[in-house]
Amino acid sequence: DQQVKQNSPSLSVQEGRISILNCDYTNSMFDYFLWYKKYPAEGPTFLISISSIKDKNEDGRFTVFLNKSAKHLSLHIVPSQPGDSAVYFCAARTGNQFYFGTGTSLTVIP
Amino acid sequence: KAGVTQTPRYLIKTRGQQVTLSCSPISGHRSVSWYQQTPGQGLQFLFEYFSETQRNKGNFPGRFSGRQFSNSRSEMNVSTLELGDSALYLCASRRPGGPFPEAFFGQGTRLTVV
Repeated sequence: DQQVKQNSPSLSVQEGRISILNCDYTNSMFDYFLWYKKYPAEGPTFLISISSIKDKNEDGRFTVFLNKSAKHLSLHIVPSQPGDSAVYFCAARTGNQFYFGTGTSLTVIP
Repeated sequence: KAGVTQTPRYLIKTRGQQVTLSCSPISGHRSVSWYQQTPGQGLQFLFEYFSETQRNKGNFPGRFSGRQFSNSRSEMNVSTLELGDSALYLCASRRPGGPFPEAFFGQGTRLTVV
């Protein structure tokens, strides 16, 4: 049972434009949501998180939005840069356990 | 501060063999989790250790086991390897206490079973 879903396996965006990565979840007990970025042959790197009691968190070019009623979160990257090209994983936490989505491969075209 | 270190980086084993993977967490981190990543499956949670005790376990067969030592280093063992065990195995550590939800990952061990 996939509790965290990323329905878009890939996304291509022009450099300078906005990248929007989406994630849906089913478990209302999740208390934190996180985004990780992964380059090939490396482990995932933490990007940004949001508590379930908030609806937005911003860190530089990265903003995460949480819509609890829709059980949906999104990561906005503005402006997108070629170095942002990677696989992005959405994750959710309940207790001490994390659940990850299957990832979205972002390609930023120069 | 050194990051999470996993050894070895790459491993090739034959079906039926067993394998042990090692993970050294960031200094001061007492929680260590293991994940399996396969194409199209995302990261699947294997288990989590905290202070030498398994605190959570994912939905994997008993062939997958682990342990944690008093210095927080952790090992994962897979016995009677199957072709489907070929994957990237990732270890992650977390800070104790506080509102720190994020886990820090190592580079992973790429296991290939032939």
